Amino acid sequence: DAKTTQPTSMDCAEGRAANLPCNHSTISGNEYVYWYRQIHSQGPQYIIHGLKNNETNEMASLIITEDRKSSTLILPHATLRDTAVYYCIVSLRGLTGGGNKLTFGTGTQLKVEL
Amino acid sequence: GAVVSQHPSWVICKSGTSVKIECRSLDFQATTMFWYRQFPKQSLMLMATSNEGSKATYEQGVEKDKFLINHASLTLSTLTVTSAHPEDSSFYICSAQPPQRAMNTEAFFGQGTRLTVV
Repeated sequence: DAKTTQPTSMDCAEGRAANLPCNHSTISGNEYVYWYRQIHSQGPQYIIHGLKNNETNEMASLIITEDRKSSTLILPHATLRDTAVYYCIVSLRGLTGGGNKLTFGTGTQLKVEL
Repeated sequence: GAVVSQHPSWVICKSGTSVKIECRSLDFQATTMFWYRQFPKQSLMLMATSNEGSKATYEQGVEKDKFLINHASLTLSTLTVTSAHPEDSSFYICSAQPPQRAMNTEAFFGQGTRLTVV
């Protein structure tokens, strides 16, 4: 799996957009970009994933650059409950039918403040 | 969305004893489940891949005789930490994915098990 790099930490004011960057310059053509987050002492939670098009769901938006070497997760209106470690992961999309193991990097600690 | 449940959420055990952690997929069948370990202020590290009906696949450096994995059914995988020592104290997390034919193929994680060995 391609390696990802993320900033160690970021701060965001409540109600503002949180933009979390991720570099994955060695991504291969059939690898997806996944984002998960982990609130303290809980299991990771899926947020969003994409291949090359921008994606949006009820939680966030994912912007992937045209060369696919980097992406940005956008939380449009961050709340205190969005304080968590956010992981950007590159992986094949369950092509085996049994799932794929995920390689977690260090992630970005997002702190949302009043 | 799909639900993966772990039990117990936390456990304290004496050094030298064994502890079993269960991981269940509640609303889908999972031929493969994954076990991760997370030490304080560190990221998740994959320990092993649990395969239904066959032996687990362990990551390099993980002792298979110490961390016994059993995936006896399509909805249950267990991790047994044998002869636990204080350095085994950690946060253990499992994950599973619904089958490929489902629309969503993201991984779902259990809530984790906090193991403290005293």
